Amino acid sequence: EDQVTQSPEALRLQEGESSSLNCSYTVSGLRGLFWYRQDPGKGPEFLFTLYSAGEEKEKERLKATLTKKESFLHITAPKPEDSATYLCAVQTTGKLIFGQGTTLQVKP
Amino acid sequence: KAGVTQTPRYLIKTRGQQVTLSCSPISGHRSVSWYQQTPGQGLQFLFEYFSETQRNKGNFPGRFSGRQFSNSRSEMNVSTLELGDSALYLCASSTGGVDQPQHFGDGTRLSIL
Repeated sequence: EDQVTQSPEALRLQEGESSSLNCSYTVSGLRGLFWYRQDPGKGPEFLFTLYSAGEEKEKERLKATLTKKESFLHITAPKPEDSATYLCAVQTTGKLIFGQGTTLQVKP
Repeated sequence: KAGVTQTPRYLIKTRGQQVTLSCSPISGHRSVSWYQQTPGQGLQFLFEYFSETQRNKGNFPGRFSGRQFSNSRSEMNVSTLELGDSALYLCASSTGGVDQPQHFGDGTRLSIL
């Protein structure tokens, strides 16, 4: 059965304290792995697409990496405005399967 | 470039009623997908429309249906509403390629009394 698992469920960091979010997946026929950010009361905002193992993408303080079984979202020197829920999703034939998300809180 | 627009933003209904939600995709996008988001189940795929045809479907009962118009705008209908249908309903659009990212609207918050 296709499945996406994110860990941890919640993460609290001090401003400037770097960390990583994990997304592990078991799917047949991976077409792409996507990272989204969701703020309260808003829809998910697209961040990155990764297609093959070894691929990396960066945007400001965020860096996403992909292996054959998991993806990491590294956040370097986070700021309070990085506080949000980060969602990982995998594209299989016909649909996106989402993980439950990691809620990140960055304290000043 | 305008994003995905969903209307209405909030809706309150009672059990047994039906509801129609609307989604306007990003200009040029031909694929529209619908998702249900709840605290317990997270984001779950309902269905996808591409060029006015349902291309994929999730595991939801037949009370959930949708359609897409020639201008790519889409509507989702839920009949015989149940308390468990209370959720945030999200619409996402993309160009239609299977590996292309989907871009989401801010959703319709549906509450069933």
